[in-house]
Amino acid sequence: DVKVTQSSRYLVKRTGEKVFLECVQDMDHENMFWYRQDPGLGLRLIYFSYDVKMKEKGDIPEGYSVSREKKERFSLILESASTNQTSMYLCASGYLRQGSYNNEQFFGPGTRLTVL
Amino acid sequence: DAKTTQPPSMDCAEGRAANLPCNHSTISGNEYVYWYRQIHSQGPQYIIHGLKNNETNEMASLIITEDRKSSTLILPHATLRDTAVYYCIVRVDNNAGNMLTFGGGTRLMVKP
Repeated sequence: DVKVTQSSRYLVKRTGEKVFLECVQDMDHENMFWYRQDPGLGLRLIYFSYDVKMKEKGDIPEGYSVSREKKERFSLILESASTNQTSMYLCASGYLRQGSYNNEQFFGPGTRLTVL
Repeated sequence: DAKTTQPPSMDCAEGRAANLPCNHSTISGNEYVYWYRQIHSQGPQYIIHGLKNNETNEMASLIITEDRKSSTLILPHATLRDTAVYYCIVRVDNNAGNMLTFGGGTRLMVKP
């Protein structure tokens, strides 16, 4: 089975702290994604990566950065956490198949981050 | 990407078929219809996808109208464990990361 794991299920941080959210997948997927999910807003894409050291901004990249040093690992970084970054963060991975119709993504369990 | 419209909530009796509608009237010819669901406190889970033909797998069936402007996800025998938020997404396959955009979805409540 495809497995996408995230480093923490619950995290509490203080305003101004630097926060690292780690995501690891074991299916050799090229694509990896970070989303945040907020009530009434659905899932919104923060950043994605289609290869090692490659990254692309999603819909809401402000206040976040990412790192993809290894294919299986994609990290989301909050340089200086703020209260409006309190959210559920979901990591996903998937194949990059050019010309394919399969956009299936596999999601991790999520990290519920609270910034005080 | 085409926007989708789903009812915010639905109820279904356990053991009965759950039919979840989705409108995507601005869908273009190369956009696929995807369904995901999210059970409380878990990440979204892929269910099924299709282009224009009806599709069936072990989880569900997907019925797409001939004009492709709407679709219906069918869970043939809903169980309590099918209680979740169901997301209908339309997406063209391209090289831009293949990311998905989730709207509000339909909250399906399966009742005993």
